Amino acid sequence: DGGITQSPKYLFRKEGQNVTLSCEQNLNHDAMYWYRQDPGQGLRLIYYSQIVNDFQKGDIAEGYSVSREKKESFPLTVTSAQKNPTAFYLCASSITGWAGDTDTQYFGPGTRLTVL
Amino acid sequence: AQTVTQSQPEMSVQEAETVTLSCTYDTSESDYYLFWYKQPPSRQMILVIRQEAYKQQNATENRFSVNFQKAAKSFSLKISDSQLGDAAMYFCAPYSGGGADGLTFGKGTHLIIQP
Repeated sequence: DGGITQSPKYLFRKEGQNVTLSCEQNLNHDAMYWYRQDPGQGLRLIYYSQIVNDFQKGDIAEGYSVSREKKESFPLTVTSAQKNPTAFYLCASSITGWAGDTDTQYFGPGTRLTVL
Repeated sequence: AQTVTQSQPEMSVQEAETVTLSCTYDTSESDYYLFWYKQPPSRQMILVIRQEAYKQQNATENRFSVNFQKAAKSFSLKISDSQLGDAAMYFCAPYSGGGADGLTFGKGTHLIIQP
C-alpha cells in the first residue's frame, strides 16, 4: 500500500558522528520535505526538493545535508556541524511543491534522534 | 515570510461537545492555502482540513469545519461532537506554494477530551 516510510524510528548518535535518516515514498510525488520538531514547538523546514537532482535550503539547513538521486528517496544527513541535533524529524511529500490542488503535504511517521 | 499564532496552548472539552481552536497568521501573499494538521501521541502528522484562500466558502470535513476570515487573517478550526480519538496536538499551517517556505507551523494547541 502507498505511503511514506521513515527509518529508523529511533536513532542514537555520539557527538561528532554523522548520521543519515531515511525517507522513502511510493506515492509518485515530485516534492519532498524535511522538517524538524523540538519539544513544545511546531515544525521547521530543513530542506525541500521539488524534483529529482534538485533541492533547496529551508529555514534551518545549517549542519544538515540532503540528496535526491531518485524520485522516491530523500535521505537527510545530520552532520557533526549541527550543534543541537536532538529532535524529532519528519519527512513529507506532495504531488508538487506549487500551491494548488497538488500541494497538500503528507507526512511519514518520523525519526527520533538523540545525541548521547 | 509567514508567521502563525495559536494563542491557546491547551484546550479541554467534554466528549460529544463542540470546541473551537483559534489561529491567526500573517502573510504578504495574496494567493495561499491553509491547513490544519493533528499530531496524536504517535507523533504522526495527519491532515485534518484544507482551505483555499481564494474561496469564500468555509471548508468542512465531516465533524471538522473552519471559520476562515481572510481580512482578519484568522483561520479557526471547529470540532463538533468531540470524540476521544480527537485528543492530539493541532497545528495551523499556511502555505503560499513554490516550496520556498514549506509549511509554516504554529506552536500548536493541545486538545484534551474529557470522557
